[in-house]
Amino acid sequence: RKEVEQDPGPFNVPEGATVAFNCTYSNSASQSFFWYRQDCRKEPKLLMSVYSSGNEDGRFTAQLNRASQYISLLIRDSKLSDSATYLCVVNSAAGNKLTFGGGTRVLVKP
Amino acid sequence: GAGVSQSPSNKVTEKGKDVELRCDPISGHTALYWYRQSLGQGLEFLIYFQGNSAPDKSGLPSDRFSAERTGGSVSTLTIQRTQQEDSAVYLCASSDPQGYGYTFGSGTRLTVV
Repeated sequence: RKEVEQDPGPFNVPEGATVAFNCTYSNSASQSFFWYRQDCRKEPKLLMSVYSSGNEDGRFTAQLNRASQYISLLIRDSKLSDSATYLCVVNSAAGNKLTFGGGTRVLVKP
Repeated sequence: GAGVSQSPSNKVTEKGKDVELRCDPISGHTALYWYRQSLGQGLEFLIYFQGNSAPDKSGLPSDRFSAERTGGSVSTLTIQRTQQEDSAVYLCASSDPQGYGYTFGSGTRLTVV
């Protein structure tokens, strides 16, 4: 089993719709969680950290479920510019190594 | 600097040659990571530095790969006797001591011909 798993998609989303997807992790002692966004042929960029209580940044909401060992990302009112690959990133209990999921591809269409 | 700087941005090399890739992290970032990403694939962990030491080298794919970091700052990833399967984008990231704010460089696109 991979340490961090994501549905690769693609998720085809009509513009203005809401899309949500999850990421599961296997190490129950993982401490930090992040969502990164990667555009085609570009480096990953931090979208948001994920806190235990859940957090929101504009149209983006991230949730952490420690009991079931997954994090989620919800995008409301999708824009064409939201089309990208969203990478789930988990930091190990040792706080050392970032482990990336394979990414979830989102395509927002007019 | 303001961001993570990697050089060169592109490198084309002949099979069998050695290459050196450089990463200059954000000032004050003690942790430095190397990843590689093949076309259409996810990020593959290579090595992690905390200061000048590398507690985790588990991702280096073969003994042709090595990395060092000096002065707790610049890191160099060296690939000896390059093979075509080494072709990928090599990404470097650094983070602050608390482990938040990982920032990636724009990568080095390596093509082995």
